[in-house]
Amino acid sequence: SAVISQKPSRDICQRGTSLTIQCQVDSQVTMMFWYRQQPGQSLTLIATANQGSEATYESGFVIDKFPISRPNLTFSTLTVSNMSPEDSSIYLCSVYPPSDLLPPYNEQFFGPGTRLTVL
Amino acid sequence: GQQVMQIPQYQHVQEGEDFTTYCNSSTTLSNIQWYKQRPGGHPVFLIQLVKSGEVKKQKRLTFQFGEAKKNSSLHITATQTTDVGTYFCAGPGNYGQNFVFGPGTRLSVLP
Repeated sequence: SAVISQKPSRDICQRGTSLTIQCQVDSQVTMMFWYRQQPGQSLTLIATANQGSEATYESGFVIDKFPISRPNLTFSTLTVSNMSPEDSSIYLCSVYPPSDLLPPYNEQFFGPGTRLTVL
Repeated sequence: GQQVMQIPQYQHVQEGEDFTTYCNSSTTLSNIQWYKQRPGGHPVFLIQLVKSGEVKKQKRLTFQFGEAKKNSSLHITATQTTDVGTYFCAGPGNYGQNFVFGPGTRLSVLP
């Protein structure tokens, strides 16, 4: 299993500013995922972060808006840049179990999420 | 890209009634996962189905994977207020590294 913590748990920000969200895992993992969940909606994958390489972004998400760092195997950050009210969402990071190195993958473990409100 | 659909979007039941949510894909899925998200919480893994026609049970929850591996269902017998939440199915993404989540079914249980 994996235990994930996220900081901050919530924040209220002004439009035009940026917020960096941290994700810490209690064990080394290969891939870390960043999701966005808008109010009342499902989870949408923003990007996959692998240590030592550039993050892979999904369609509709770009690095300039959501830069990601992955400095080591237990930590990642997601920055939401130049925020607008449309960025108000819950941002979640997730990982597979440390033992899952290749597909088929088993369960994903999710962090508690960061609830972002942009005014 | 890969998409999975779920019905219904919402379901309100009286405590003790049964509940079923259905997940459908236009393409064959190698596997499918189910998650539960309580209000204010994060998604929690329930189960993964891999084999065609597979049926798995967890206490009052029964999970099925269709013979063609294009659909799946989650059935809850005799719902309880602790079952309240949103149930998501998730199928593998195009490159097999991630899972694509369905829109979810939000379950309300009236005491």
